[in-house]
Amino acid sequence: GENVEQHPSTLSVQEGDSAVIKCTYSDSASNYFPWYKQELGKRPQLIIDIRSNVGEKKDQRIAVTLNKTAKHFSLHITETQPEDSAVYFCAAFINQFYFGTGTSLTVIP
Amino acid sequence: DVKVTQSSRYLVKRTGEKVFLECVQDMDHENMFWYRQDPGLGLRLIYFSYDVKMKEKGDIPEGYSVSREKKERFSLILESASTNQTSMYLCASSFRGNTEAFFGQGTRLTVV
Repeated sequence: GENVEQHPSTLSVQEGDSAVIKCTYSDSASNYFPWYKQELGKRPQLIIDIRSNVGEKKDQRIAVTLNKTAKHFSLHITETQPEDSAVYFCAAFINQFYFGTGTSLTVIP
Repeated sequence: DVKVTQSSRYLVKRTGEKVFLECVQDMDHENMFWYRQDPGLGLRLIYFSYDVKMKEKGDIPEGYSVSREKKERFSLILESASTNQTSMYLCASSFRGNTEAFFGQGTRLTVV
């Protein structure tokens, strides 16, 4: 089956700096790559997603890039704010969702 | 707004008890999922269902079973609860194919 690896497991940045989280996947048939944000005590919620026919997608301060050849995709958050502090999960979809192990992002005011 | 609702937010059960976790969605989604969330291990799939009465094993099905008698409801059953099943359980649902999954609020289960 699919295997998704996510790095780093923890990330601390100063407010205003950028944060990058990287994921790799193993199955070239995966065709959908969502990113979820989970705030403390809350449910995971989709923040951005990308499909396999697209290389990059941007939504205000967040962007996702996909390199199908290398089988990796990344989440980029610019101008980070304290409310960006959360756990972020990447996932790859092929018949079901395969999640990474999560990145705990802390934005230091 | 999509709603995925889990029956309990917190649950404490004794070892050996049979435990039922219920999940209901109101968006007519075909797919429903049960995940277990543990620190450092991310979201691990226990079972999923792509249609009524259909079920597929995920990565960690041992000690669990599921039931989907109606499209909107997906139940996770711990046949005989053990302390190593203490965890956060998350239900999710989605339309068939590569579309967004919506999560329930989670059930924190403690087995003593």
